[in-house]
Formats: sequence, C-alpha cells, structure tokens
Amino acid sequence: EAGVTQSPTHLIKTRGQQATLRCSPISGHTSVYWYQQALGLGLQFLLWYDEGEERNRGNFPPRFSGRQFPNYSSELNVNALELEDSALYLCASSLAVGETQYFGPGTRLLVL
Amino acid sequence: GQQVMQIPQYQHVQEGEDFTTYCNSSTTLSNIQWYKQRPGGHPVFLIQLVKSGEVKKQKRLTFQFGEAKKNSSLHITATQTTDVGTYFCAGSSGAGSYQLTFGKGTKLSVIP
Repeated sequence: EAGVTQSPTHLIKTRGQQATLRCSPISGHTSVYWYQQALGLGLQFLLWYDEGEERNRGNFPPRFSGRQFPNYSSELNVNALELEDSALYLCASSLAVGETQYFGPGTRLLVL
Repeated sequence: GQQVMQIPQYQHVQEGEDFTTYCNSSTTLSNIQWYKQRPGGHPVFLIQLVKSGEVKKQKRLTFQFGEAKKNSSLHITATQTTDVGTYFCAGSSGAGSYQLTFGKGTKLSVIP
C-alpha cells in the first residue's frame, strides 16, 4: 500500500511569491492534515480537511489556505511568502477523524 | 487553547543507558499518540494510548498514559544508536474541533 505522497520535495521561492504544495493521502483516507515544521518550533498545526471541507485551522494568517479535492488529495497555498515561511511542510492523512495520522515525506520550502 | 508540553528538549545518553521523555497537557486528553522522527525524515507513528493508566510496550519502549489522562511518558530501556531521533507526543481532546496538538519533541542523541 502506497503511503502519503507530497510534491514537490523541495521548493525555492522569493519573498512575495506564491507557493503551492500538494499531497496525496493513503488510499481510503478521507482526512488530510497540514503541519509546518520550522527549525526549533516543532510541529505546528495548519489545516485539517475532511470530506472536501476545511474542518479546522491553526493559528496562521489567511495567506495560508488550501483545499481538498473530490479524490481526497489536497493542496496548500501560501501567498505573499515571507522569509519565516521557510520550513518543512508535512501532510498527514487518517482513515477517519481521530484515527492515527500517517505522515508524508514533506516539502521543504525555502524563501529567499 | 490546548497546550502540550514535552521535556526534556534534548537528551544525550551513552549507548546502553535508559531514556525517558515526558509529556504534559493543559487539558484532559481523549488519547495521546507518540511519533518518532529520524534526522532528515518525517514523523512515524509509534503508538496510541486511549485508556486512563494504560501501559503499552513495544520491545524496549514502554509507553504510559496517566490516570488523569493529562500526562504521558515514553521510556526506552538500554538505548541503541538506532533509537536516535526526535520523539513527539501528540494529544487529542476528542470530538468537535478535532486536531492533534504536538509537543515540541525530545531530541535523543546516543553516544556509541
């Protein structure tokens, strides 16, 4: 069974640009979660999607947004990039709400 | 909001010594999960604890969930170099705005 996949693996952008990160959950998983892991700050919850709808979001500005498609894959968009957005962005999926979350390899975003 | 504190932040041990990381939540949890992240990797699910006072073992790893369901610990007996990584606890308060709140992790270094 394929795990959670994310693309791209690395992304380099400049300040003010927009970044789009993609995630494909494990087959059959309907919930997708996005986390930001910045150096020294641990895992910060960004967004949670379930059945195509945003269910909850963490303490991040509105320029962090996303969506979940009918096939349960998901996209994270970050607008007006700032230097401090440089981090590892992790996507996780679960079979249902409250179930174990399985993480993808992440996308390393570098903002110059 | 819910906060999950994890200590220590770093731990250096000699190979063969024991290691323990502790997790405390500001609120009662419905369950707690533990993850391990190897250097350069992504978090990998280890275990979930649900019941008050629950103790689970995986080979040299022992996981405990406190009676009040507000704290947890992970104990590794006789550490090996393969145990190197960052160990995260993540708590869920349950229904409603379900999400996992991660501790900042304990980074374990094992000196051979």
